[in-house]
Amino acid sequence: EIVLTQSPATLSLSPGERATLSCRASQSVSSYLAWYQQKPGQAPRLLIYDASNRATGIPARFSGSGSGTDFTLTISSLEPEDFAVYYCQQRSNWPNRTFGPGTKVDIK
Amino acid sequence: QVQLVESGGGLVKPGGSLRLSCAASGFTFSDYYMSWIRQAPGKGLEWVSYISSSGSTIYYADSVKGRFTISRDNAKNSLYLQMNSLRAEDTAVYYCARVSLLGDDYWGQGTLVTVSS
Repeated sequence: EIVLTQSPATLSLSPGERATLSCRASQSVSSYLAWYQQKPGQAPRLLIYDASNRATGIPARFSGSGSGTDFTLTISSLEPEDFAVYYCQQRSNWPNRTFGPGTKVDIK
Repeated sequence: QVQLVESGGGLVKPGGSLRLSCAASGFTFSDYYMSWIRQAPGKGLEWVSYISSSGSTIYYADSVKGRFTISRDNAKNSLYLQMNSLRAEDTAVYYCARVSLLGDDYWGQGTLVTVSS
């Protein structure tokens, strides 16, 4: 099983600041990594697929990078609606498409 | 627009059964794999089961294998999850999601399953 580790567990930032979230895989997942955003009481929403591609309707302030085992989600300038939990997910090891434990971005 | 609406959750005793449903609209349901993903209270996401577009290929997480059964009715644009021998650790919000090459690209709002005596 491919294990995903996310860091930090919590990121405390102010609106307008840059957020950098990390996801590390226990073995290579190539570029088969996605990022999801989940707000309290809501379902997750797909943000980024295949490491660096924004899903439909996702603002340009969200960007993804990386390949192999190390990946980054960057939010260039935090908007109030961006404070949420972010999960990475690998689809390299079908069908066991594991999720990371999540990074909570909260308001400083 | 794509809509997924789950139903069927509730309170059930350990060892009991429950059947979840997911009604899909806004896309050609029979073209897509579908999945069930769950989230225990205050915890992260765990995939539970996948089913191919025709229903011929099915996968389960080890944690539910032998107890849960996924199925679909393409004529009714519906996805199901039959859950038997429920345990306290199955308590979670259960989401249905559309599976695409991009990822799980659309999710329902979820239905809460609580297993408690």
